[in-house]
Amino acid sequence: QQPVQSPQAVILREGEDAVINCSSSKALYSVHWYRQKHGEAPVFLMILLKGGEQKGHEKISASFNEKKQQSSLYLTASQLSYSGTYFCGTVNYGGATNKLIFGTGTLLAVQP
Amino acid sequence: NAGVMQNPRHLVRRRGQEARLRCSPMKGHSHVYWYRQLPEEGLKFMVYLQKENIIDESGMPKERFSAEFPKEGPSILRIQQVVRGDSAAYFCASSPGGTVGYEQYFGPGTRLTVT
Repeated sequence: QQPVQSPQAVILREGEDAVINCSSSKALYSVHWYRQKHGEAPVFLMILLKGGEQKGHEKISASFNEKKQQSSLYLTASQLSYSGTYFCGTVNYGGATNKLIFGTGTLLAVQP
Repeated sequence: NAGVMQNPRHLVRRRGQEARLRCSPMKGHSHVYWYRQLPEEGLKFMVYLQKENIIDESGMPKERFSAEFPKEGPSILRIQQVVRGDSAAYFCASSPGGTVGYEQYFGPGTRLTVT
């Protein structure tokens, strides 16, 4: 039931772009994206809702394909501060509450 | 506007002792979620509470774990008779609403070490 993220890890140079994918076996109502640095709390980046609504940081972009039950996070012109582990959290369609089921995580390292 | 607050940030307990973890949600938020993160793993949902009510505890271990969110004061996650396997980071997240579509903001976490 846990969403699968790909890639598991990626190394970038500053200024390069990356795409992180999140795939679920369940129909989804929403996908939430977080970045977590080692030893710190997850930081909210974006939420994508069934039907197309999005809320989040202006500099972050993402997509949500409801039919394929997939979401992608697009990081462009990466900065050193983008380093960390990225998690998607999903809310299953038809679920009674907004509890998040987190994905397997993607470790992103941005080098100078 | 203060963010989600958790205390203590670090807690060391011996096997068999009790651990009490506190979470104060963001101002205006009345929905609290607790998640556990084992070392080098992802976050796992434990329980969702509103003021004075447990809404969803499907992720809570059946024994030794309990949670509350009283009318006044912080939400508390209580672990009785801790074991080494309880060592983890415990995060709470608060939300302005409980239905789907609301974002969740995480606190700094409590890192529990059981010796």
